[in-house]
Amino acid sequence: EDQVTQSPEALRLQEGESSSLNCSYTVSGLRGLFWYRQDPGKGPEFLFTLYSAGEEKEKERLKATLTKKESFLHITAPKPEDSATYLCAVRTNFGNEKLTFGTGTRLTIIP
Amino acid sequence: NAGVTQTPKFQVLKTGQSMTLQCAQDMNHNSMYWYRQDPGMGLRLIYYSASEGTTDKGEVPNGYNVSRLNKREFSLRLESAAPSQTSVYFCASRTGTSGNTEAFFGQGTRLTVV
Repeated sequence: EDQVTQSPEALRLQEGESSSLNCSYTVSGLRGLFWYRQDPGKGPEFLFTLYSAGEEKEKERLKATLTKKESFLHITAPKPEDSATYLCAVRTNFGNEKLTFGTGTRLTIIP
Repeated sequence: NAGVTQTPKFQVLKTGQSMTLQCAQDMNHNSMYWYRQDPGMGLRLIYYSASEGTTDKGEVPNGYNVSRLNKREFSLRLESAAPSQTSVYFCASRTGTSGNTEAFFGQGTRLTVV
């Protein structure tokens, strides 16, 4: 069974304090790993897709990386508006239509 | 661009009542999905439709039915609501024709069954 585990569950940072969120996965045949941002009361908003180990993608203060067992979402010099829950999801070769989600990391950036 | 639109945004039902959650997308996507989100559980797939005219069960289909009305619309029906169906429901869509494309989500329907 595909499993996705995110850590930590919650993270509080001072504005400007860089850190990383972790997403570890156990799947049969990774087809893609997705990062989403979710604000309270809203639907998930797509950030990145990573397809193979060694791949990296960046957007503003966010950088996502992928290994064969986990993905990291690095946040550099975060601002209060980066506060949100960050979700990781995987799609596999055998469950092509299904995204398996982790439970998310709730990030709070303190001004 | 509206993207994925869900109605209603909030609903309170009594146990045993029925209701239909509506979802429409204006991105000409082939695949559409219904997820539920519960605290500590993550998003879980209820049903999906890989193309117009087809529907398939996801991870947690019991107690739900779906209809792919046309390419734009995908509805989720609760025939006899139970308190265990209290959740936030999200509709999503993606192109699904080729490649490994991302899914786009609606704003959600918060359902409470009392």
